[in-house]
Amino acid sequence: DVKVTQSSRYLVKRTGEKVFLECVQDMDHENMFWYRQDPGLGLRLIYFSYDVKMKEKGDIPEGYSVSREKKERFSLILESASTNQTSMYLCASSGLAVGNEQFFGPGTRLTVL
Amino acid sequence: AQSVTQPDIHITVSEGASLELRCNYSYGATPYLFWYVQSPGQGLQLLLKYFSGDTLVQGIKGFEAEFKRSQSSFNLRKPSVHWSDAAEYFCAVGARNTDKLIFGTGTRLQVFP
Repeated sequence: DVKVTQSSRYLVKRTGEKVFLECVQDMDHENMFWYRQDPGLGLRLIYFSYDVKMKEKGDIPEGYSVSREKKERFSLILESASTNQTSMYLCASSGLAVGNEQFFGPGTRLTVL
Repeated sequence: AQSVTQPDIHITVSEGASLELRCNYSYGATPYLFWYVQSPGQGLQLLLKYFSGDTLVQGIKGFEAEFKRSQSSFNLRKPSVHWSDAAEYFCAVGARNTDKLIFGTGTRLQVFP
């Protein structure tokens, strides 16, 4: 059974803290994605990685960075968390063929106080 | 550039009634089209996808969708809704030259007994 896991389901952090969200997939997928989900806005792409150490900015990269040192792991980093980064964060992965479906993790609900 | 519109933010139906969720896309060529479902507090699960061929696509949980090129639509249907179908539904479009998907803003389905 294919699986995308995220390190935390719920996370509470304080303004200014550095926050790491981890995502691991066991499908040997080349592509990995980080989305942010907010009510009424749907899913917005933060960053995309198509290979180890390779990344591409999505639609809303400001305030975020990513790291992909191993194929199966994709980390989202909030260098200095702010209250407007309170949101649901979803990680996804997909295979190399264009048009492949994306498989999603359960999400991390982050609250920044 | 691609875009996806889900005109209905919230739909309420009675259990056993039929369902149609609307999705319109904008893309110059034939797109890849997806419907995902998100149960409360969960990640997204693929219901069905269209790449080419037969324009009526069958998915899991008794859902189907029809690609209509002339209307730029990919509406999701189910003949008889169950209470467990209450969730948020996302339409997504992909292009043949990218691994990224563009998601609609979602439609929340409420089912009354």
